[in-house]
Amino acid sequence: QITLRESGPTLVKPTETLTLTCTFSGFSLSSSGMGVTWVRQSPGKALEWLALIYWDNDKRYSSSMKTRLTITKDTSENQVVLTMTNMDPADTGTFFCARVRMIRGVPMTYKFFDAWGQGTLVTVSS
Amino acid sequence: DIQMTQSPSSLSASLGDRVTITCRAGHSISSHLNWYQHKSGKAPDLLIYSASTLQSGVPSRFSGSGSGTDFTLTITNLQPDDFATYYCQQSYRVPYTFGQGTILEFK
Repeated sequence: QITLRESGPTLVKPTETLTLTCTFSGFSLSSSGMGVTWVRQSPGKALEWLALIYWDNDKRYSSSMKTRLTITKDTSENQVVLTMTNMDPADTGTFFCARVRMIRGVPMTYKFFDAWGQGTLVTVSS
Repeated sequence: DIQMTQSPSSLSASLGDRVTITCRAGHSISSHLNWYQHKSGKAPDLLIYSASTLQSGVPSRFSGSGSGTDFTLTITNLQPDDFATYYCQQSYRVPYTFGQGTILEFK
């Protein structure tokens, strides 16, 4: 059974750095073709993709937020950490982590998020 | 970035109905299109990947089609558990953008 769980502060102040941890089980991030991603949902808004890290430590970021995001993994601890700097009230939202699966396609590999955590609500306020 | 546009934004339907949600990509994405169901306060669920492949465990009343820029999600014989928000997502090119969502409400 695959499970993911997000953890971190529920309240941060403007300009602070947010650090969120995704702890997962049921798969290994050292296995070829695996990845973990972060997605945010601000109140009343759509899902917004933020960042992704692959088994080989390849990293991808949202183009609008790449200067503020860092994603890292600890394979031995089955954890992925997302940091977001210079938090603003507009960053308030629920943050989800999810497993990324890759399936070989022609000519490109298909990628999708097939297991998600319940999400953690982060409020940015002074 | 590849913009994903869903229509309609909201939809009212009754039990047993057949509904179709459309997703249009701002650039050809071949069949690199995924559909998710999301209920408030819960984890999103993957329904369909590669435009038309049903994720394991998802009821066969869900189906997806399309390629290039135009895609559809069809739900037949609507059940109470199907009333939720549905998102398309392209996984062709980073950033992996989502559509704005379609809220499926009970009529």
